[in-house]
Amino acid sequence: DAGVIQSPRHEVTEMGQEVTLRCKPISGHDYLFWYRQTMMRGLELLIYFNNNVPIDDSGMPEDRFSAKMPNASFSTLKIQPSEPRDSAVYFCASSPGQGSTDTQYFGPGTRLTVL
Amino acid sequence: AQKITQTQPGMFVQEKEAVTLDCTYDTSDPSYGLFWYKQPSSGEMIFLIYQGSYDQQNATEGRYSLNFQKARKSANLVISASQLGDSAMYFCAMREYNSGAGSYQLTFGKGTKLSVIP
Repeated sequence: DAGVIQSPRHEVTEMGQEVTLRCKPISGHDYLFWYRQTMMRGLELLIYFNNNVPIDDSGMPEDRFSAKMPNASFSTLKIQPSEPRDSAVYFCASSPGQGSTDTQYFGPGTRLTVL
Repeated sequence: AQKITQTQPGMFVQEKEAVTLDCTYDTSDPSYGLFWYKQPSSGEMIFLIYQGSYDQQNATEGRYSLNFQKARKSANLVISASQLGDSAMYFCAMREYNSGAGSYQLTFGKGTKLSVIP
């Protein structure tokens, strides 16, 4: 059974460019999460979806960040324009539910470097 | 106040020995879940083990076990018979109800870097 799939695995871009990160959750999981990991701040929840609908985007740092989930098997996180401080590892995770017992399964992450 | 505290930034253990990674948590929610994840140098986050707040017995998964002491609000991860492949960052996380967001949310500790020595 395939896990969470993310692409690309690595992205290097220049400041000001648009960056799009992609995620395919585990089939049958109703919840999808986007996290950012940095040395300074650790793992931070950016946004999560339930049945393709954004539920909580309070962790999205700025208007430069946007996320969509057009269908149950695909989500994107877009940064436009990108800045060097956006450099981080971005994880997508999915879970079957959002109760206290539901485990989130993470993708391999996308390592973003903005020059 | 931190929700999840991992006091050991780094730990060393001899191969084949057991090691305990500490985790304390803070919540007033009676229903919560505790998770441990492993992050090797390759970067992926791997789910290891789960403990529910109402579970009477400590969770076990192969060489991993969770020493759950509810009154002390601790959920330490025990790795038995350490292997070189266990060298990684280990994150403790708690899932509790966030009334502001109206949903359960997962909060991570800052992690412990475990190095297994041959």
